[in-house]
Amino acid sequence: DSGVTQTPKHLITATGQRVTLRCSPRSGDLSVYWYQQSLDQGLQFLIQYYNGEERAKGNILERFSAQQFPDLHSELNLSSLELGDSALYFCASSVVTGNGYTFGSGTRLTVV
Amino acid sequence: TQLLEQSPQFLSIQEGENLTVYCNSSSVFSSLQWYRQEPGEGPVLLVTVVTGGEVKKLKRLTFQFGDARKDSSLHITAAQPGDTGLYLCAGDFEAGGGADGLTFGKGTHLIIQP
Repeated sequence: DSGVTQTPKHLITATGQRVTLRCSPRSGDLSVYWYQQSLDQGLQFLIQYYNGEERAKGNILERFSAQQFPDLHSELNLSSLELGDSALYFCASSVVTGNGYTFGSGTRLTVV
Repeated sequence: TQLLEQSPQFLSIQEGENLTVYCNSSSVFSSLQWYRQEPGEGPVLLVTVVTGGEVKKLKRLTFQFGDARKDSSLHITAAQPGDTGLYLCAGDFEAGGGADGLTFGKGTHLIIQP
C-alpha cells in the first residue's frame, strides 16, 4: 500500500458519458498530480494541484477537469467520453515538487 | 514539448547477467527520477538525482546522472527474475520551472529469465 488511494480500480462506461475518478493523497502530501497512461503515449501529465489550488497544467483536454478539496482529496472529471480516452489514470502525491512522487494503483477506464 | 528518450525499449536477458538502460534529453533536468512499474500497479520511486555526476546505489542497482544533467543511466548487476518490470525515468526540466509536471520517458520493458 503506497498510501495513495484511488477509486474505483476499474470503470467501464459508454461513449458520451461522464465519470469521476477519486484520489486520496498520502498523509502529509499537499500536491496531487494526475497522469494518463496509454500503451502508445506512456505516462502523460494532466494537471497538478497544491493545497487546493491548480499549480500546473499539462496535456489535459477541455473535456477533462479536476479539483482538490479542503481535505486534500482530488477528483478528476472526464466528460463526453470517447473511445480514445480508454487508459489507465494515475494519481500521485508529493510533499514538494521534484522530490519524487508516490503513485496510487490507478483507475483503468474502458470506454465502449 | 520537452522530450525524454529511453533505450532500449525492450530487453530480455538471463538471470545473472548485467545490464544498463539509458535516459536522454536535449534539455537540462533540475532533477531526475527512476521508477519501476509492475503490471496493474502504479510506478514506484527508486531514486532521485539532482547533482550533475551524481552516482547513487540501491543494492544491485546503480544510478548515474550525467555531468551536464541531460542524461542518466541505470545499471543492474547480476539481474534476478524479481527485477522484471517497466523502468521509467522522469525529469523535472529546468526550463519549465516546475510548471510542466514530471515528464516521463516511455520506459524500458525488462524481462529477466530464470
